[in-house]
Amino acid sequence: AQKVTQAQTEISVVEKEDVTLDCVYETRDTTYYLFWYKQPPSGELVFLIRRNSFDEQNEISGRYSWNFQKSTSSFNFTITASQVVDSAVYFCALSEGYNFNKFYFGSGTKLNVKP
Amino acid sequence: SQTIHQWPATLVQPVGSPLSLECTVEGTSNPNLYWYRQAAGRGLQLLFYSVGIGQISSEVPQNLSASRPQDRQFILSSKKLLLSDSGFYLCAWSVEVEPLGETQYFGPGTRLLVL
Repeated sequence: AQKVTQAQTEISVVEKEDVTLDCVYETRDTTYYLFWYKQPPSGELVFLIRRNSFDEQNEISGRYSWNFQKSTSSFNFTITASQVVDSAVYFCALSEGYNFNKFYFGSGTKLNVKP
Repeated sequence: SQTIHQWPATLVQPVGSPLSLECTVEGTSNPNLYWYRQAAGRGLQLLFYSVGIGQISSEVPQNLSASRPQDRQFILSSKKLLLSDSGFYLCAWSVEVEPLGETQYFGPGTRLLVL
């Protein structure tokens, strides 16, 4: 079974629209970390955020915000007032307490922001 | 600050030829190092990781191998490439910054095309 599910394969929005990327995870561990990475067309994965399982506080960084809900095992990512430069593939990832070296990545969501 | 380098950036190789991809990290000591492969339009597959010199863990059996001859150098090799080895190869590093858990930071990647 997939430990990290990103059901949205591709999303297209028009610039200035808000967009939410969904991430659902599965783990039996009580200690785990969740991540979001951005992969622009150049290919390099850029780290965006890390959250541990004991901190359910939502986080905002500029136009980016993250909603962590343990009750629904979700860690969703919202971009407010999207811009063309936000166009990329976004990956959600999970690492678990028994082996933090191993990251489980979702299949990614491709975001197209059109001018 | 830490930086991670990968070379070559792109590579076109014939089937059956050998392969050597190199990854080096600067600005940190004793990092954990990782090799991932990303097939076109797909997610990331962890191939190998290393927690120290000469220590290699393999996640997927295949015709690839990895070595860590120095603390901050990680090499991915193959004696005979297959068509299915084509893809985007990403190296990543991490260090434990909290009592538990770590964040992985990725290099620019190597695009490999096997013909």
